[in-house]
Amino acid sequence: GAVVSQHPSRVICKSGTSVKIECRSLDFQATTMFWYRQFPKKSLMLMATSNEGSKATYEQGVEKDKFLINHASLTLSTLTVTSAHPEDSSFYICSARDLPAGGPGEQFFGPGTRLTVL
Amino acid sequence: QKEVEQNSGPLSVPEGAIASLNCTYSDRGSQSFFWYRQYSGKSPELIMFIYSNGDKEDGRFTAQLNKASQYVSLLIRDSQPSDSATYLCAVTGGGADGLTFGKGTHLIIQP
Repeated sequence: GAVVSQHPSRVICKSGTSVKIECRSLDFQATTMFWYRQFPKKSLMLMATSNEGSKATYEQGVEKDKFLINHASLTLSTLTVTSAHPEDSSFYICSARDLPAGGPGEQFFGPGTRLTVL
Repeated sequence: QKEVEQNSGPLSVPEGAIASLNCTYSDRGSQSFFWYRQYSGKSPELIMFIYSNGDKEDGRFTAQLNKASQYVSLLIRDSQPSDSATYLCAVTGGGADGLTFGKGTHLIIQP
């Protein structure tokens, strides 16, 4: 099956610093990647949709200048949390669509990145 | 705004019984429907997806979709303790849309 990796799996940083999270599709080309955030005991919330070679589309309420998304290739998307604050502490999960093999909406999820901002 | 509703549970089911998980959604334009399983601290894993009204079976799992009632369900037959997890219902409008998730139902299979 399609495999999506994320790096790092866990990161702890100081308030005010920036953190970059990588999402890679390992065995397929992902024209579209998605970034989700999950707070404890809550469900996943879509943050943005990332299309290769174009600007990301952000969901309402998500600050695009704070959460920078780059999708430079068909296998890599990055999310940079800029000037992180403790309230940004969350579980960040990416997913990727495998259009040729998957259904119209099927997404494959990465293992997630646990961000803790002190 | 799209909404997906699930009973948060916990839903407790004895081992070997049928677990029934329900989900309703608000957007009539939704086209694709998914059930994910999520263990604590892990990312979701896809169990099943369904696009058409009716039932879809895959092993011990059956997804049911009723677009007129805007209702999706997941049945787990012969429940096992390893099925204990949070089950997330998700919908999308199709195309390149991201998923809208429900809050999940915490399922506990009692040995």
